[in-house]
Amino acid sequence: GNSVTQMEGPVTLSEEAFLTINCTYTATGYPSLFWYVQYPGEGLQLLLKATKADDKGSNKGFEATYRKETTSFHLEKGSVQVSDSAVYFCALRGVTDKLIFGTGTRLQVFP
Amino acid sequence: SAVISQKPSRDICQRGTSLTIQCQVDSQVTMMFWYRQQPGQSLTLIATANQGSEATYESGFVIDKFPISRPNLTFSTLTVSNMSPEDSSIYLCSVRQGGGNTIYFGEGSWLTVV
Repeated sequence: GNSVTQMEGPVTLSEEAFLTINCTYTATGYPSLFWYVQYPGEGLQLLLKATKADDKGSNKGFEATYRKETTSFHLEKGSVQVSDSAVYFCALRGVTDKLIFGTGTRLQVFP
Repeated sequence: SAVISQKPSRDICQRGTSLTIQCQVDSQVTMMFWYRQQPGQSLTLIATANQGSEATYESGFVIDKFPISRPNLTFSTLTVSNMSPEDSSIYLCSVRQGGGNTIYFGEGSWLTVV
């Protein structure tokens, strides 16, 4: 079945550091891929998405490229801020509407 | 994207009681779903709320425990029945609009069962 694997957290960085959160997936066919973010005490917000191979999703300085050859969708940001501290979830959507989530990665950014 | 409102946003519930969570969307949506996020965990789909018919439940979730209604294209409710401390979770309503492939989430309902 479909599955998503994320790197474990927490990821601890200083402000302005480079961020990578790894995400790989297993799926049949051509799933859509998503990154969602959950800020402390809040619900889930869509951060970015990609629907086909080689698509790059981007938002708020974050980027992720849909790599079919490596079945990956790694999240990157060139310079993190304290306000980026949150839990990040990688997810895929296959042929149904069901979202399959990774376990989430907590990011902590210190000034 | 659709604006999704959930009530209550937070509640503390007594063991053995039931609580109904409401989800209101500001526009008609094709699909509505209910997810659960247990403390420190990822999200798990409970069920798809079908308009005018019984919800479609995922493995491990049953209608007697989580009855769901969806009377129209903008509103759904999830009831958590006969609650125990293990039901302490965030319950999130989510929607898909039209033919789009993005699923949007509400702010969640944070339930603590004591």
